[in-house]
Amino acid sequence: RKEVEQDPGPFNVPEGATVAFNCTYSNSASQSFFWYRQDCRKEPKLLMSVYSSGNEDGRFTAQLNRASQYISLLIRDSKLSDSATYLCVVSTGGGNKLTFGTGTQLKVEL
Amino acid sequence: EPEVTQTPSHQVTQMGQEVILRCVPISNHLYFYWYRQILGQKVEFLVSFYNNEISEKSEIFDDQFSVERPDGSNFTLKIRSTKLEDSAMYFCASKGELYNSPLHFGNGTRLTVT
Repeated sequence: RKEVEQDPGPFNVPEGATVAFNCTYSNSASQSFFWYRQDCRKEPKLLMSVYSSGNEDGRFTAQLNRASQYISLLIRDSKLSDSATYLCVVSTGGGNKLTFGTGTQLKVEL
Repeated sequence: EPEVTQTPSHQVTQMGQEVILRCVPISNHLYFYWYRQILGQKVEFLVSFYNNEISEKSEIFDDQFSVERPDGSNFTLKIRSTKLEDSAMYFCASKGELYNSPLHFGNGTRLTVT
């Protein structure tokens, strides 16, 4: 099983849609979880950390299920500017090594 | 907001040449990283650095690679003898002391080996 696994997509959705991305991780000892966003040929940028109780930041909601080793990201009312690749990032190897999933590509269309 | 800076933004080199990629992490961060991303592929961990030594490295980070923190601000990645397959985007990142601190990335250096 891969350390961090994501559906690569692409997800093509109309503007205003709600879209959900999932991510699974293999190391049950992982402690830190993040969602990053990457635009084409740019660096990854932190979208949000993922906390055990789940957390929300505007239109974005992140959930963590430790028992199933699963993280999700929900984007409500998607905008054209949300088009990007969304990267699931999980700490492995003692907490200071962060491993990236392959990313899920989102395309929001008119 | 403080940021990680990388130079150069683009480096073209011939196979077999040595390259040094430079990074200035965020000043109060303690953990430093290099990642690479081959075009169209995932972001891959290369190496982490803490307390003036390598704390972890991947199997990609072989004897051709080395890292250094020559002074209090710079963090460098050296590739001794570049291969065609080293062509990629190289990202430097840093993070704070807390275990759940996120990584902050620089803009990257695009390395092209010809």
